[in-house]
Amino acid sequence: QLQLQESGPGLVKPSETLSLTCTVSGGSISSSSYYWGWIRQPPGKGLEWIGSIYYSGSTYYNPSLKSRVTISVDTSKNQFSLKLSSVTAADTAVYYCARRIVVVTAGNWFDPWGQGTLVTVSS
Amino acid sequence: QSVLTQPPSVSGAPGQRVTISCTGSSSNIGAGYDVHWYQQLPGTAPKLLIYGNSNRPSGVPDRFSGSKSGTSASLAITGLQAEDEADYYCQSYDSSLSGWDVFGTGTKVTVL
Repeated sequence: QLQLQESGPGLVKPSETLSLTCTVSGGSISSSSYYWGWIRQPPGKGLEWIGSIYYSGSTYYNPSLKSRVTISVDTSKNQFSLKLSSVTAADTAVYYCARRIVVVTAGNWFDPWGQGTLVTVSS
Repeated sequence: QSVLTQPPSVSGAPGQRVTISCTGSSSNIGAGYDVHWYQQLPGTAPKLLIYGNSNRPSGVPDRFSGSKSGTSASLAITGLQAEDEADYYCQSYDSSLSGWDVFGTGTKVTVL
């Protein structure tokens, strides 16, 4: 059973860089059928897709965050990571990692999800 | 920033049927991209409920059903149960700009 687990600092200072890692267990991150994604949810608000990466390193990002986001993959560790630069209080959120399933005849969706990790931006 | 619009809340008594709409545009749902639905119970991560407009993953009760037409999609819950009280989100793909995954604004379902 595939599982994902987010890890990283729970508190980041304004203007600094938020860094999170997602560890995948129970399956290979190098599978050709999947992308891997980051989604966030500010307290009391809805979901926002941040970006996704393929095991080869191919990425695509939310246009509104693109200038500040970098997603990378380490296939040797079965992990992928998120870096969000120049953070402000508006970046305070629960950050989720998830597997993005792509099926030509049915689109693409996220399943499963990690449990999420709260990152607070505050001095 | 959500490009998929959902009603903020819907409610119903146990046993009733409720529906949640997800309205998009010609660059996402209207362009033919499939819609997927997630259930988020309080304090937990979202869970896939419906994929490919109307398909249920293994383990999801058949009380949940999805449909899509034009630039909109719908999630129906029949035989509403107390355990269905949660937030529900639709998700699709948008081909504007360089292409991106988009979520709906979310709907809180309350069981009266």
